[in-house]
Amino acid sequence: DIQMTQSPSSLSASVGDRVTITCEASQDISHYLNWYQQKPGKAPQLLIYDASTLQTGVPSRFSGGGSGTDFTFTISSLQPEDFATYYCQQCDDLPITFGQGTRLEMK
Amino acid sequence: EVQLVESGGGSVQPGGSLRLSCAASGFTLSRFWMHWVRQVPGEGLVWVSRINSDGRSTDYAESVRGRFTISRDNAKDTVYLQMNSLRGEDTAVYYCARGPAFPWYFDLWGRGTPVTVS
Repeated sequence: DIQMTQSPSSLSASVGDRVTITCEASQDISHYLNWYQQKPGKAPQLLIYDASTLQTGVPSRFSGGGSGTDFTFTISSLQPEDFATYYCQQCDDLPITFGQGTRLEMK
Repeated sequence: EVQLVESGGGSVQPGGSLRLSCAASGFTLSRFWMHWVRQVPGEGLVWVSRINSDGRSTDYAESVRGRFTISRDNAKDTVYLQMNSLRGEDTAVYYCARGPAFPWYFDLWGRGTPVTVS
């Protein structure tokens, strides 16, 4: 199975901050990497697919990059509604696997 | 409204069975592959199973293979997950999610249905 490792596991930040989360795959997954946001008690929401493509309707302050084994997810200017948990997910091979999540908390 | 609604969760004893349903509305289910993803409260997301658009191809996580069966009825706009020989470690919230044939991302999720095996 492809292991996905996110860092950090948790992060404290303030409104207006620029935040970056990294995701490392245990093997080359090309650009087959997706990012989700999940708020407490809610289902995850797709933000970015194919490593860098913004899902329709998602604000442009979210962005993603990388390829191969190393990926980044960035929020350029944190908004109050962005405090949530973020997951990366590889879709290069079965089984589909997720990172352990990064909890973004308000400082 | 475009949505997925899961049902069928509940409490069951170890060794028991449950059948989850995922009803789709507001879009053409037959155009999408469908997945089940589960999450223990407070923990991460775990992919469980997937089925292709016509129901002829399925895949499973190793932890559920041989015990769970995914199926779909496009005429009824519904996807199912039959769960047999349930174990305590199957306790989780189960989400259904839709996606394209490839790449396998999930662009629409249901609210989830809780399953407790105890």
